[in-house]
Amino acid sequence: GQQVMQIPQYQHVQEGEDFTTYCNSSTTLSNIQWYKQRPGGHPVFLIQLVKSGEVKKQKRLTFQFGEAKKNSSLHITATQTTDVGTYFCAVTPTSGTYKYIFGTGTRLKVLA
Amino acid sequence: GAVVSQHPSRVICKSGTSVKIECRSLDFQATTMFWYRQFPKQSLMLMATSNEGSKATYEQGVEKDKFLINHASLTLSTLTVTSAHPEDSSFYICSAPRGGGARLSTDTQYFGPGTRLTVL
Repeated sequence: GQQVMQIPQYQHVQEGEDFTTYCNSSTTLSNIQWYKQRPGGHPVFLIQLVKSGEVKKQKRLTFQFGEAKKNSSLHITATQTTDVGTYFCAVTPTSGTYKYIFGTGTRLKVLA
Repeated sequence: GAVVSQHPSRVICKSGTSVKIECRSLDFQATTMFWYRQFPKQSLMLMATSNEGSKATYEQGVEKDKFLINHASLTLSTLTVTSAHPEDSSFYICSAPRGGGARLSTDTQYFGPGTRLTVL
């Protein structure tokens, strides 16, 4: 079945440092979505990437879709304590089935 | 944004009992809803796809007779954990995708707040 790995699994950073999480798929993707889950909360949609090589920005967050559409990254510049949480990528299987598979997630801790 | 509610938010039950969890889309219609299970510090594992007016589609390894899903209306899906055992204790989250109705991979998922189930 489809596998979606994220690295790193955990990341602790000092407030103000940058952070990057990578999402890697074993198959070519039609699109990829990113979600954030705060501790004790539920996933919240952040952004979607569709085109090969696409780059999107949301304030301090930069999202990139790989040229081969098999991987993606989320970069946070100058982290803040409000960035704490787990970041998940989510993909749909290449079989065309209407469902979403979540990546393994990267848990971010920001130390003040 | 779209709102999805889940009820109850927390439930503790005895082993052998059944527990029903409701997922509602409050401000949009959802012909499809997804049920996920999340163990502590782990990712969301898709359990099943709930389809309004038809049978749910279960993921491999998920027992359909144990996790009964009913999608009776365009805004409500229910998950019933039958004969619950301690190993069923988990965080159960539903989501409802919202798009143009064409069921595209680009639809955005809106998640309910989740239900924490503890089976004693």
